[in-house]
Amino acid sequence: QKEVEQDPGPLSVPEGAIVSLNCTYSNSAFQYFMWYRQYSRKGPELLMYTYSSGNKEDGRFTAQVDKSSKYISLFIRDSQPSDSATYLCAMRAPLSGGSYIPTFGRGTSLIVHP
Amino acid sequence: DTGVSQDPRHKITKRGQNVTFRCDPISEHNRLYWYRQTLGQGPEFLTYFQNEAQLEKSRLLSDRFSAERPKGSFSTLEIQRTEQGDSAMYLCASSVADRGYTFGSGTRLTVV
Repeated sequence: QKEVEQDPGPLSVPEGAIVSLNCTYSNSAFQYFMWYRQYSRKGPELLMYTYSSGNKEDGRFTAQVDKSSKYISLFIRDSQPSDSATYLCAMRAPLSGGSYIPTFGRGTSLIVHP
Repeated sequence: DTGVSQDPRHKITKRGQNVTFRCDPISEHNRLYWYRQTLGQGPEFLTYFQNEAQLEKSRLLSDRFSAERPKGSFSTLEIQRTEQGDSAMYLCASSVADRGYTFGSGTRLTVV
C-alpha cells in the first residue's frame, strides 16, 4: 500500500461544474498538506497548502483537511477548460534524522470539457 | 526571482552513456530536492541538500545515480551507464527550510 493514495481518474466534468479531488494517507505523522497542478510535460505548480485540519479558500479553490480520517480534498468551483490538468496531492513525510520531504500521490487527471 | 531552472529540458541518450542534469534553485532557498516522475505516477523522491550538505541519499535508485551541490548553489544529478528504465522526467525543487516547495519544469530523459 502506498503512503498516499489518489485515484488516477480521469475525471471528466462539464465546464462550470464543482470538482472534488481527494487523497488518503496512512501515516499520522504526515503534515503540511499541499496541492499541485501539473500540465502535460511541465513541472508541478503549487496551488495551495495548509497545516491544519479545516478548510482554506483561495479564489475558486478550497483545500480541506481531516487529520482524524487522514483524508484531504481539493474543491474547484466553476471549473474551466483551462483547469484540465493532473492534480497532485502532497504532504510532508518524516525522514530519519528529523527532516521532512514532500511525498506525493500519483495524481488525478481532470478534464473539463466546454 | 526567476523560479527554479532546469537544464536541459529534454535529453536523448543512448543506453550505456552517462548524463548530467543541472538545477538552479531560487536564490534564497537553502534546500534543494531531486525527484523522478514516470508516466502516470507522482514524483518520487531521490535526494535532497541543505545548503551544500546532502542530507538524504538512501532513496537514490542505484549507485549509478549521484548528485552534487557545490557551494550550496546549483546542483547536478548524474546517471552513469544509463538504462532504458531510467527514461523519466527528472524534477528539481527548492524550498526555504520545510515549506514553499517550488518545482522546476523538469528534464525529460529518453534512453534509446
